[in-house]
Amino acid sequence: KQEVTQIPAALSVPEGENLVLNCSFTDSAIYNLQWFRQDPGKGLTSLLLIQSSQREQTSGRLNASLDKSSGRSTLYIAASQPGDSATYLCAVTGGSSNTGKLIFGQGTTLQVKP
Amino acid sequence: EAGVAQSPRYKIIEKRQSVAFWCNPISGHATLYWYQQILGQGPKLLIQFQNNGVVDDSQLPKDRFSAERLKGVDSTLKIQPAKLEDSAVYLCASTLGGRTYNEQFFGPGTRLTVL
Repeated sequence: KQEVTQIPAALSVPEGENLVLNCSFTDSAIYNLQWFRQDPGKGLTSLLLIQSSQREQTSGRLNASLDKSSGRSTLYIAASQPGDSATYLCAVTGGSSNTGKLIFGQGTTLQVKP
Repeated sequence: EAGVAQSPRYKIIEKRQSVAFWCNPISGHATLYWYQQILGQGPKLLIQFQNNGVVDDSQLPKDRFSAERLKGVDSTLKIQPAKLEDSAVYLCASTLGGRTYNEQFFGPGTRLTVL
């Protein structure tokens, strides 16, 4: 059974810092990994999608890496801003008997202080 | 391109009452998902449709939850009767065609409070 874990559960940093969010999964037979952002009371916004054959994806100040063999992904945020404050969720598809559903971690809540 | 639409955005009911949620996926998206997100947790799949057929409903509490996707477009999720533990955000997502490789897009969610 695929399980996804995110560490830390919460993070508070001063504005301008570079930071790394961690995601690990137990079954390396994934199809893809997706990072989402969730603002309080809102739905999920897709940030980056990494296919299983890829090692990383970049969008603006965000860079996500994937190491399938070790079951790990990291989301790197450069030069953090107060507007980056949100909960970040990683999710995977794939693994035995998976039909394309996303299996989520519990999220990392980020606070960027001005 | 319009995103995934959901309604209502908020709903408050008392336990043992019934409630229904509606989702309209992105045009042309064949696969539709309903997820339940309890406060402080990541979303968990309730049911997955491919067009108007059910692909995965293994985590749907079928004694009280039901869902349908008529004509392979809009979908409704119903809870009857509701319990306190059903308080959560219900998220609808859709993806284009193939089940495994495509990015999922989420609606704003419906926040349900059961009193």
